Amino acid sequence: GQQVMQIPQYQHVQEGEDFTTYCNSSTTLSNIQWYKQRPGGHPVFLIQLVKSGEVKKQKRLTFQFGEAKKNSSLHITATQTTDVGTYFCADTNSGYALNFGKGTSLLVTP
Amino acid sequence: DSGVTQTPKHLITATGQRVTLRCSPRSGDLSVYWYQQSLDQGLQFLIQYYNGEERAKGNILERFSAQQFPDLHSELNLSSLELGDSALYFCASGIGPPGSPLHFGNGTRLTVT
Repeated sequence: GQQVMQIPQYQHVQEGEDFTTYCNSSTTLSNIQWYKQRPGGHPVFLIQLVKSGEVKKQKRLTFQFGEAKKNSSLHITATQTTDVGTYFCADTNSGYALNFGKGTSLLVTP
Repeated sequence: DSGVTQTPKHLITATGQRVTLRCSPRSGDLSVYWYQQSLDQGLQFLIQYYNGEERAKGNILERFSAQQFPDLHSELNLSSLELGDSALYFCASGIGPPGSPLHFGNGTRLTVT
């Protein structure tokens, strides 16, 4: 299936700076999910977006789904060292399976 | 704790050998998914089972096979192993409908020498 593209591949920020990762698709997405994988850990579900233009917040994390449902973003305000990890978006456009982007690895320096 | 149990945690074996990875899904989840994670390829979907039946196939090699048993646990069999099969293999479970959030196990780290 069509794989979603994530940018950037890596991001290194100072603690307290903001961070944004983007997820793009050439086709319309039915829904998008976001996962976080800590170093040495497993992916953990964060959120699912379904509606066009949807915005959801989880504390310092803001998730958006584009109006055309072809892109999504995850924004972290005032990063902390606990935010370190790889953030994946995933879509189900190909049917039953979730197809993951290659992820954005976030490094936060104290 | 995701509730998904994978064994073993680590596996070291030689080329040409065969191994079996085991997964017990979260209580109540009918779907089991297998993913392969390597540094350069990210999370690659291999195969999905729903209530004992194969539901979707991804980039799974012919040397690999899987099944889901009546008690819903699943096994992934990897045979004629090659160096390139070294990776982290994750099992994930979900309630079933497409688009349902997945809950991942801790993974099995396979090293082929």
